[in-house]
Amino acid sequence: RKEVEQDPGPFNVPEGATVAFNCTYSNSASQSFFWYRQDCRKEPKLLMSVYSSGNEDGRFTAQLNRASQYISLLIRDSKLSDSATYLCVVNSFNKFYFGSGTKLNVKP
Amino acid sequence: ETGVTQTPRHLVMGMTNKKSLKCEQHLGHNAMYWYKQSAKKPLELMFVYSLEERVENNSVPSRFSPECPNSSHLFLHLHTLQPEDSALYLCASSQEVVAGGVVRDEQFFGPGTRLTVL
Repeated sequence: RKEVEQDPGPFNVPEGATVAFNCTYSNSASQSFFWYRQDCRKEPKLLMSVYSSGNEDGRFTAQLNRASQYISLLIRDSKLSDSATYLCVVNSFNKFYFGSGTKLNVKP
Repeated sequence: ETGVTQTPRHLVMGMTNKKSLKCEQHLGHNAMYWYKQSAKKPLELMFVYSLEERVENNSVPSRFSPECPNSSHLFLHLHTLQPEDSALYLCASSQEVVAGGVVRDEQFFGPGTRLTVL
């Protein structure tokens, strides 16, 4: 079983839509959680850290459910510029495990 | 310079060449990482250095040789590579900080070196 599993993509949505990505992780002792964004042929960039209480940054909301070992990212009012691959990342005992990513295409 | 820098940004080499990739972080972090990302594949962790000591070698072939002379610099020495080693090589750094009872240990990535082995 993979350490981190994400929804398969791509997600094709119109501008203004709300889209949700899910991610599950296998190690219940994992200590920290992140969402990264990666544009084509570029490096991953940190989008949000995910805290146990859930956190929001503008149009982006991240939630963590430790009991179900599940992380989510919600994007509201999608913009064309949100088109990218979104990576779920879990830190377990100082090892960072990356999901394979979910591709989002926001269309006009 | 800020953040994490990598040089060169692009590299084309033959299978018999020897080359080195360089990474420098200006964030005061104490851990550095090498990742490989092949086309349409997830990131693969190669090496981890913490406080200049290698703490992880993820079954990487010996034709890849890392070096961490100090906490700000990380090198990846390449020799007798194969065409399947062509990929984007990413360096990252992190520092575990506890603030307000919350562990903050985000990784920050350099722009990567796009390597082509002929």
